[in-house]
Parts: sequence; C-alpha cells; structure tokens
Amino acid sequence: DIQMTQSPSSLSASVGDRVTITCQASQDISNYLNWYQQKPGKAPKLLISDASNLETGVPSRFSGSGSGTDFTFTISSLQPEDIATYYCQQYDNLFSFGGGTKVEIK
Amino acid sequence: QLQLQESGPGLVKPSETLSLTCTVSGDSISSSPYYWGWIRQPPGKGLEWIGSVPYSGRTYYKLSLKSRVTISVDTSMNQFSLNLNSVTAADTAVYYCARHGGAPGDPRKFDYWGHGTLVTVSS
Repeated sequence: DIQMTQSPSSLSASVGDRVTITCQASQDISNYLNWYQQKPGKAPKLLISDASNLETGVPSRFSGSGSGTDFTFTISSLQPEDIATYYCQQYDNLFSFGGGTKVEIK
Repeated sequence: QLQLQESGPGLVKPSETLSLTCTVSGDSISSSPYYWGWIRQPPGKGLEWIGSVPYSGRTYYKLSLKSRVTISVDTSMNQFSLNLNSVTAADTAVYYCARHGGAPGDPRKFDYWGHGTLVTVSS
C-alpha cells in the first residue's frame, strides 16, 4: 500500500490568511493525486485532481501543486466557509487517503 | 444530475455480514468507463477506500480487506453492492458509495458521492 502522510493534522488561521497543507507519498506517484474538502456530516467534495487541476465551480482561492512524493494544497485567502477537513488521495496504485487536515478559524 | 444513495441495515452483529446497496440515478451504471466504489470513515477518523467495481470487468479491493469483501453490480437495478463478512467493532463506520473514472489517462477521482450511511457493529 502507498502511505499518504498529511501535515499538519489540524490548523487554526484567521480569515484572509494563506493556508498551506502538505501531503507526502511513501513512493513516487507522479501527479496522481486529488484533494477533497469534507464538512461535518457531509460527504467529501472533490476540489482538485491530478495534483493541480481545479474542478469546475471550485473557487480560485484553492490551488494544488507538486509531483513525485511531495504535494501542497493552498487556500490563498481563508474564508469562513472553508472550515472543513481536507484530504489528499493517491491513485497511482489502487487508492489511499491522507489522514486529513482540520482547518479552523482563529 | 448523477445521484448515489446508500441503503442497508444500520446495525450489524459481530461476526455477521454487513450488506449495503448503492442505487444510482441520473445515469446508467453501465456507462463505461466508470468505476463504482465504496469508501468508509470510522467515527472521528479519516477515509478508507474499500474497493471498486466496473459494470463489466475486474473488481479491485484494498489488500487488507480483500479476504472479507465482495463488491458486485446489478445493471438491471442500476445498483452496486458491498458485502463485508466477519465484521467486528472496528468495521463501525459511515459507508459511502462513489463514482470514479477508469479509462486510461483518466484521473481516478471520486467525483460523485452518496450521502453516506452509518453502520454500527454491536451485539
């Protein structure tokens, strides 16, 4: 299994802050990485595919980058509605998810 | 608009079989080249992929669950199902069904999800 390590596990930031989450794969996964947002009691929502492709309708303040084993997810200006847990997911070899990063407002 | 809806018992006894069904509406489950998958989330924890099935072809399972899991498709009912046998309390989770791409070169992204259903394993 490919292990996906996300950090931090939680963070607290102010509205308007830039927020960065990292995801590290246990082996090279090229750009086969997606990012999801999950709000409490809801199913995850796909935000970014192939490491950096923003899904249709997703605000441009969300972005992703990286390839190989190291990936970054960024919210350029945190908004109150961005409070959620974010997950990375690899699909180079079957599927596995990172442990999640809970984002809260300071 | 594609919609997925999970259904099944919310309570299963230890050692028994957990059985869930996902009903797909808004498109045919036979729409190639999509795969139909199950993902679970224990209370307060992260997401775990269980397995995926195409309407026709090989089914893929998480290695650590492979001995206990069967996922199948019923194209006549536009449904796919999950069976997980010999359950324990560790299988207590919200179970989601979801769709992902399967064609060569397609990103295997879970783009449509059901709302999820909580299954508790307890006597």
